Amino acid sequence: GQQLNQSPQSMFIQEGEDVSMNCTSSSIFNTWLWYKQEPGEGPVLLIALYKAGELTSNGRLTAQFGITRKDSFLNISASIPSDVGIYFCAGQQKDSSYKLIFGSGTRLLVRP
Amino acid sequence: KAGVTQTPRYLIKTRGQQVTLSCSPISGHRSVSWYQQTPGQGLQFLFEYFSETQRNKGNFPGRFSGRQFSNSRSEMNVSTLELGDSALYLCASSWGLAEETQYFGPGTRLLVL
Repeated sequence: GQQLNQSPQSMFIQEGEDVSMNCTSSSIFNTWLWYKQEPGEGPVLLIALYKAGELTSNGRLTAQFGITRKDSFLNISASIPSDVGIYFCAGQQKDSSYKLIFGSGTRLLVRP
Repeated sequence: KAGVTQTPRYLIKTRGQQVTLSCSPISGHRSVSWYQQTPGQGLQFLFEYFSETQRNKGNFPGRFSGRQFSNSRSEMNVSTLELGDSALYLCASSWGLAEETQYFGPGTRLLVL
């Protein structure tokens, strides 16, 4: 199935460091979403972006909808151990299907 | 407000059997989507139901089917199970059809032996 290109695949960082991850696509998306998934649980919505150029924050998390509408990034500032998990981007194209297309995920590990 | 609930949380089946998974959306949400998550393929869209009708369908064989009831609760059925059907099956609900903001349940982990 179609997927977004999400990078990096994994990150192992020191507590307190900032983190950045991104998603790119050859297609235009109308909506970008960022989810976090912890072991044994479903993805939890972190941030939703609806307009090109939009920059939205949720606590220590900041995400941006790329101007070209083909990319998005997520930043986590001052990481803490509970940030550990897999972060997924998801995009939606307003075509006939409206279904969400997911990136392959970024696995984040934080060293205390 | 309670979140999306899925039952059962874990399931072990053997090849050839069939399985039914259940999803109760957030109260007031009318759309339910189902996804399959595997390490190799990631999150793949199965189908979306709204007002008891399947509105969208992903690229899965006909062994995968679903339905939605008048109270918006949804069930997913997989017949003639194959080893490759082992996965985490996630249900997500949203207020309306093609609503971007989907909220996921904890998933049902299915193991096919």
